[in-house]
Amino acid sequence: DVKVTQSSRYLVKRTGEKVFLECVQDMDHENMFWYRQDPGLGLRLIYFSYDVKMKEKGDIPEGYSVSREKKERFSLILESTSTNQTSMYLCASSSRGLGGQYFGPGTRLTVT
Amino acid sequence: AQSVTQLDSQVPVFEEAPVELRCNYSSSVSVYLFWYVQYPNQGLQLLLKYLSGSTLVKGINGFEAEFNKSQTSFHLRKPSVHISDTAEYFCAVSEKAAGNKLTFGGGTRVLVKP
Repeated sequence: DVKVTQSSRYLVKRTGEKVFLECVQDMDHENMFWYRQDPGLGLRLIYFSYDVKMKEKGDIPEGYSVSREKKERFSLILESTSTNQTSMYLCASSSRGLGGQYFGPGTRLTVT
Repeated sequence: AQSVTQLDSQVPVFEEAPVELRCNYSSSVSVYLFWYVQYPNQGLQLLLKYLSGSTLVKGINGFEAEFNKSQTSFHLRKPSVHISDTAEYFCAVSEKAAGNKLTFGGGTRVLVKP
């Protein structure tokens, strides 16, 4: 089975702090994605990557950056957190085929 | 740009009753369609997908969905729900030229009552 793991399940940070969220997948997938999930809004794509060192902006990239130095690892970086970044962050991976995306358990980030 | 609308934000249903979750999408090109389920405190799990072929798609846990191109819909159904089906369900669409990039609907929370 595909396994996607995320570095933390819960995080509490103060406004202005830097946050790294790390995602690791074990199925040699080419594609990796970062979403945020908010009630009533579903999942919104922040960034995605089709290959190592490649990244593309999703629908809501402002305030975020990403890093993909190794194929299995995709990091989401919040340089200076704000309260409107309080959310559930979900990582996903997929192959280049059409099998759909596989999701990690999510990180609930609270910024106070 | 594509968009996905899930018409019901919450659906209460009694155990062993049928349930239908509605999903409509808009896109100017051909699409692939997906339903995901999210159990409490977990990530999303793929329920089923439509890529091509038969418009009636069967998925895991007794769920099925029907693709209707003329109505741009992909409604999810289950003839008899269990308490364990209590979860949030997400419809998603991917344009055929966009690879695996998904656009999600807002989600439908299903609460199964005994």
